[in-house]
Amino acid sequence: QKEVEQDPGPLSVPEGAIVSLNCTYSNSAFQYFMWYRQYSRKGPELLMYTYSSGNKEDGRFTAQVDKSSKYISLFIRDSQPSDSATYLCAMSAGGGTSYGKLTFGQGTILTVHP
Amino acid sequence: GAVVSQHPSRVICKSGTSVKIECRSLDFQATTMFWYRQFPKQSLMLMATSNEGSKATYEQGVEKDKFLINHASLTLSTLTVTSAHPEDSSFYICSARRDVGDTQYFGPGTRLTVL
Repeated sequence: QKEVEQDPGPLSVPEGAIVSLNCTYSNSAFQYFMWYRQYSRKGPELLMYTYSSGNKEDGRFTAQVDKSSKYISLFIRDSQPSDSATYLCAMSAGGGTSYGKLTFGQGTILTVHP
Repeated sequence: GAVVSQHPSRVICKSGTSVKIECRSLDFQATTMFWYRQFPKQSLMLMATSNEGSKATYEQGVEKDKFLINHASLTLSTLTVTSAHPEDSSFYICSARRDVGDTQYFGPGTRLTVL
């Protein structure tokens, strides 16, 4: 079993739709949770960063973390064609020998069509 | 803010040659930088952790003599692929960890093609 599981999709939605992206994980030591967006042939871009459980909102993006269920989500409201990319969840335990080491999900390919 | 650059963005080399890739944090100091490798349609796989002024820590299965890492300053880390072979062809991405918090900012990546 992988430490982080993410549905690779692909996911195709119409413009304006609400998109839900999810990851589950098995390592209870993870405390830092991130979502990255990666366009083709580019490096990942940090979208959202959350420490421990809770919700965080930034514009059209909302990140949720439920540590009791080991489940994180990213919601995109009013999706735009420019949101078409691969979305990667990433997690870190943050301390000890794993300090700073990120574990990534497989990435979900999202296409928003006009 | 939080910009990370990589150079070159793309390199093609012959089998047996060595290639150096630079990773720079442009507007913040990064005691720790990371090197990842990404194959097509796959996620990032951590290769090594680079700490300024000390030896890099390599992940299991990554040959340290093949992938030489130097982190000479708080804003620069280099990865040298020695005696490159076609199977080393991949997308190499670095990230720099901002010293406050535990977030990483990624460079744009370097596409290496070994003929």
